[in-house]
Amino acid sequence: GQNIDQPTEMTATEGAIVQINCTYQTSGFNGLFWYQQHAGEAPTFLSYNVLDGLEEKGRFSSFLSRSKGYSYLLLKELQMKDSASYLCAVRARFPRGGSQGNLIFGKGTKLSVKP
Amino acid sequence: GAGVSQSPRYKVAKRGQDVALRCDPISGHVSLFWYQQALGQGPEFLTYFQNEAQLDKSGLPSDRFFAERPEGSVSTLKIQRTQQEDSAVYLCASSFSSYEQYFGPGTRLTVT
Repeated sequence: GQNIDQPTEMTATEGAIVQINCTYQTSGFNGLFWYQQHAGEAPTFLSYNVLDGLEEKGRFSSFLSRSKGYSYLLLKELQMKDSASYLCAVRARFPRGGSQGNLIFGKGTKLSVKP
Repeated sequence: GAGVSQSPRYKVAKRGQDVALRCDPISGHVSLFWYQQALGQGPEFLTYFQNEAQLDKSGLPSDRFFAERPEGSVSTLKIQRTQQEDSAVYLCASSFSSYEQYFGPGTRLTVT
């Protein structure tokens, strides 16, 4: 089966650092994505990991451990505009072996940043 | 440049009506995905096109759901005889490579 778990809600303070964890159990793995989604808007791409380790991109970093089925998204120097839902998604391996595959999403973590 | 666009942005349908949701992907994007997102949930995969070929429709919840992309660009998701459980946001995403999927703003469907 396919299962992706992440906390439902988190609260943090402006200027602080927050880590959003994601664990996954999927029948195939072809990369892990983090998306940000503001209420009523489209998900927007934040990061992509396919190999173990840390990927840093400005205030956002994402970590992957394939052996543990674990990833986290780290947000530094939090700003009020970072209040949003953060979606962890695993890309399934396309059945015919191609590089494309649909994303399997977790339910999202709603982050509230307070002054 | 223009992103993925979807229309209508909002649709209210009476139970039993048919609806058609349109997606205009980013020009040149070969891959197109449809997802369904219920309130408070993550998006769930419905179907995938590579150019005009529908290569995966395993996520379509019933035979009332039908999608097409006849010329390999614009795609339409059709839902026949809508039911209340079809109420959700329908997201379209397109991709050029095996990397990032770009999402449209979605169509919020409410079935009354």
